[in-house]
Order: sequence, then structure tokens, then C-alpha cells
Amino acid sequence: DQQVKQNSPSLSVQEGRISILNCDYTNSMFDYFLWYKKYPAEGPTFLISISSIKDKNEDGRFTVFLNKSAKHLSLHIVPSQPGDSAVYFCAASVNGGYNKLIFGAGTRLAVHP
Amino acid sequence: DTAVSQTPKYLVTQMGNDKSIKCEQNLGHDTMYWYKQDSKKFLKIMFSYNNKELIINETVPNRFSPKSPDKAHLNLHINSLELGDSAVYFCASSQGNGQTQYFGPGTRLLVL
Repeated sequence: DQQVKQNSPSLSVQEGRISILNCDYTNSMFDYFLWYKKYPAEGPTFLISISSIKDKNEDGRFTVFLNKSAKHLSLHIVPSQPGDSAVYFCAASVNGGYNKLIFGAGTRLAVHP
Repeated sequence: DTAVSQTPKYLVTQMGNDKSIKCEQNLGHDTMYWYKQDSKKFLKIMFSYNNKELIINETVPNRFSPKSPDKAHLNLHINSLELGDSAVYFCASSQGNGQTQYFGPGTRLLVL
């Protein structure tokens, strides 16, 4: 039973445009959400996170939006750059749940010139 | 000055062998984790240690045994390796109940 779902396995975007990566979750107990970026043959790198008490968190070109009623979050990258090409994983956890991260399957983003 | 390091990076071995993977973090964190990324690319937690104490033990065959000699190290020993154990194993760490985890580069295990 997948509690965190990334339904788009891949996304292709032109350099300079906006990339929007989506993530849905089913467990209403999740209260902390993270996005990780992963290059081939490397470990996931923490990108940005959001607590369930917020609906938006911004860090430079990266913004995460959280819609708790829809159990949906999204990562916006503006403007997209070729170096952003990677696999992006959405993850969620429950505070007090020993920080067990539940990951989605990932979305492969390709930013082309 | 890698924050979370793992050795070896690649491991090719025969079925039935016993092998260990080592993880070290120099972030001063007190919680460490092992995750497995299977052929379908899902990352799933296996174990977590906080201050050398096991706090998460998912449904993992008991051929897998984690060991934490101190807060900065978490090793994974696997007995009687099976073909299905082939995967990428990632170590991670976090501070206390901080929910952001930092990952190592992964160990690619191939069982023949």
C-alpha cells in the first residue's frame, strides 16, 4: 500500500520555464514533508521541506506547496536549469514516529536547453 | 569531508556469502538509518538507531543485522545472501527528532 504517490514517472521541461512536480499522500497522520533530489549513482540530497502547519515554503528557485485537505503537495522550480535534471523524491513522516520517512517512487525531471 | 560516507560503494558477491556494509557520519547526529532501494526504485526504511539503540526495525529478514558501535557509525551485516538482496543500500542520519535526514552515496550490492 503506497502511502506516498508520485504519479508522473517523468517530466520534460524547457530551460527557463517552470517545473511542477506533484505528490499525493493517503496517511492523514503525516505532518512533515520533504523533497529530495537524486543524481545517478549518488545518494538523495535534501532539497526543501514543509511542516503541516504551513501551506508554502520557499527557498530560492524552489517552492513547496502543501494542500492538506487534498493531501497533495507540489514542488515548483522556477526558472528550471539543465542542472536540475535528476530524479525527485517526495517523502513524508509522522512527528513522533521515529522519523520513518515514507518515499514516493520518484519523478525523473529532464530540463532541456 | 563527506558528511555521510559508506563503504564499499560497490559489492559483488555470490549467493550464500556473508557481507558487511559500513556507514559513518561526521555531522554530529545521533540518529542513523538504513534504507533499501529495490529494482522498482522505491526507497524503504529498514532500520534506525538513536544513540546506539535500535528504534525502528521494519519487516526485514533476520539475515540482516545492524550494529551501531557508536553514534557516528551504523553497520549492516547480511548473512546468507540471496539474489533478492541485490539492491542499493543507503545510510542516512538526522539530529534527534529532527525530521530531515541526510543520505550517504549508497552501496550497490549485486548477488550472483
